[in-house]
Amino acid sequence: QQQVKQSPQSLIVQKGGISIINCAYENTAFDYFPWYQQFPGKGPALLIAIRPDVSEKKEGRFTISFNKSAKQFSLHIMDSQPGDSATYFCAASIWSNYQLIWGAGTKLIIKP
Amino acid sequence: DAGVIQSPRHEVTEMGQEVTLRCKPISGHDYLFWYRQTMMRGLELLIYFNNNVPIDDSGMPEDRFSAKMPNASFSTLKIQPSEPRDSAVYFCASSLIRGGNQETQYFGPGTRLLVL
Repeated sequence: QQQVKQSPQSLIVQKGGISIINCAYENTAFDYFPWYQQFPGKGPALLIAIRPDVSEKKEGRFTISFNKSAKQFSLHIMDSQPGDSATYFCAASIWSNYQLIWGAGTKLIIKP
Repeated sequence: DAGVIQSPRHEVTEMGQEVTLRCKPISGHDYLFWYRQTMMRGLELLIYFNNNVPIDDSGMPEDRFSAKMPNASFSTLKIQPSEPRDSAVYFCASSLIRGGNQETQYFGPGTRLLVL
């Protein structure tokens, strides 16, 4: 019940296309859902995060869509660029428990 | 701010040797996390501290692993004795919790450990 399942494991998208990464969870107590971006040789860095009181959050080309009833959330990258090529991790946590439960990661490659 | 600082960045050692990884969190942050990342197991939380006190060490794989945080600006992760299966990238992250809500974890650059 503590797991966060992330898919796909890898994704190749043409430059300018839309990249979509999905995550699903079981624990309804989760109330914080961040996405982290990791470049090779670097640590993960927060990209965007959402709480369950909203269904969507957009920051620039990056959007989180959240479906509370389905217990799913996804990251959409619009107009994908080669610089977006990285590994993306979704995560979830419970309010007042600061431990993040991580997805397995998605390696995204944007082809020029 | 310099961000989270980890040392060494790379470590190569032989099986059976003691390994000490170091971390300096962002000044003022009250939570510190140690993670391990491998291709097979992804990101695993090993242990985390709040105000220098270990809160949850259930992710520490075995007694060979130990972590300390003697003060707010320094933490160590020690492996003794090291084994080849400990080879991984070890990350330290810190966070400032405000208002009781989960906040951003800021990761260091990691220490790439290879145990021969």
